Amino acid sequence: SAVISQKPSRDICQRGTSLTIQCQVDSQVTMMFWYRQQPGQSLTLIATANQGSEATYESGFVIDKFPISRPNLTFSTLTVSNMSPEDSSIYLCSVGDRGESGYTFGSGTRLTVV
Amino acid sequence: EDQVTQSPEALRLQEGESSSLNCSYTVSGLRGLFWYRQDPGKGPEFLFTLYSAGEEKEKERLKATLTKKESFLHITAPKPEDSATYLCAVQAGSNYQLIWGAGTKLIIKP
Repeated sequence: SAVISQKPSRDICQRGTSLTIQCQVDSQVTMMFWYRQQPGQSLTLIATANQGSEATYESGFVIDKFPISRPNLTFSTLTVSNMSPEDSSIYLCSVGDRGESGYTFGSGTRLTVV
Repeated sequence: EDQVTQSPEALRLQEGESSSLNCSYTVSGLRGLFWYRQDPGKGPEFLFTLYSAGEEKEKERLKATLTKKESFLHITAPKPEDSATYLCAVQAGSNYQLIWGAGTKLIIKP
């Protein structure tokens, strides 16, 4: 299964600023997924990123707030823009498929907005 | 509407006390059911994929089973290091997205 390097692991940011989270995969993958996990809750899909096309956003998430880049088959970034305390959460990237190896997740970015 | 429900929300066991976690689902056209383990401050770690009713998979002290309506994660003689949140997710129909349960927080006391 793929190995994902996600950066930063945590950050404390001022409201109104933006943070870019990076995910680097050790193999080429078609789809990358970005999730948000609020404290004590399960995972919520933000968007799916395919190389060479615009990301597909889930209901409740918009490109202006969470712009995503996918410049190649091993890398993607998620930006959390104009942050507010409500954006405090863990952000996760994921790759994989329904096969025997399942979906692999990065170690997560714990974001605190003050 | 596709839905995944996990129970109980939290489970406290003594070391060595076996038990089961439940994941019930209502989806159209199950393509796969996934179990994950998540430790605090970390991303989910893949455990099992189950595809069809009657399927079973084992890994160390864990055994996952699947019926047409639910999946169980059986934990045999658990150890404190098995303490974690266990997440269940399903993939259904033509949709590649996963539908996630809320998780079961498992605490094993020595």
